[in-house]
Amino acid sequence: DAGVTQSPTHLIKTRGQQVTLRCSPKSGHDTVSWYQQALGQGPQFIFQYYEEEERQRGNFPDRFSGHQFPNYSSELNVNALLLGDSALYLCASSLGGGGLYDVRTDTQYFGPGTRLTVL
Amino acid sequence: QKEVEQNSGPLSVPEGAIASLNCTYSDRGSQSFFWYRQYSGKSPELIMFIYSNGDKEDGRFTAQLNKASQYVSLLIRDSQPSDSATYLCAVKGPPLNTGNQFYFGTGTSLTVIP
Repeated sequence: DAGVTQSPTHLIKTRGQQVTLRCSPKSGHDTVSWYQQALGQGPQFIFQYYEEEERQRGNFPDRFSGHQFPNYSSELNVNALLLGDSALYLCASSLGGGGLYDVRTDTQYFGPGTRLTVL
Repeated sequence: QKEVEQNSGPLSVPEGAIASLNCTYSDRGSQSFFWYRQYSGKSPELIMFIYSNGDKEDGRFTAQLNKASQYVSLLIRDSQPSDSATYLCAVKGPPLNTGNQFYFGTGTSLTVIP
């Protein structure tokens, strides 16, 4: 059973550039959430995709955008990179469509992350 | 702004002792609460979830929830060196939100000393 995969593992960019990160969810999962984790901090929610639509968005600027494909894989795009965008970017997959107190939809499986360094 | 607060530590306990990790949250509408473990250089993994007030036990782990006090804790009994990691408290946003948005604390670093 394939777990959550992310690519690339590491990435170095310069300020002003654009970057695309990729995520494939765990087999059977249809929901992908993206998080940014700065050093020494907890993950910060960027947005969530379900049925190819952005369903929920955290407090991140429009420079952060995403996409979900019919096979449920997802991309995170960041434009006009800033030094402060340097972080570990985590993708988490889960089952969507659940309600309150739904263990299946509440259980998120994280990928190994992409370490982005902006110089 | 929904906040989840944790003592960043570091927390050190001897092997075999009980480690107690605490978390408070600001949004009274929060319904679901989670503890993740994150080893250095790795991604978070879910170890416990709790929905109702009271205690929930799973092996050496016990999660405790007090919604009136907006307080969640994690107890690790018989702590082992392999428990040394950062423990993240996460709260699922209130049910009025669409989708599942989770708010994480900054994590508590735990070191179990052999």
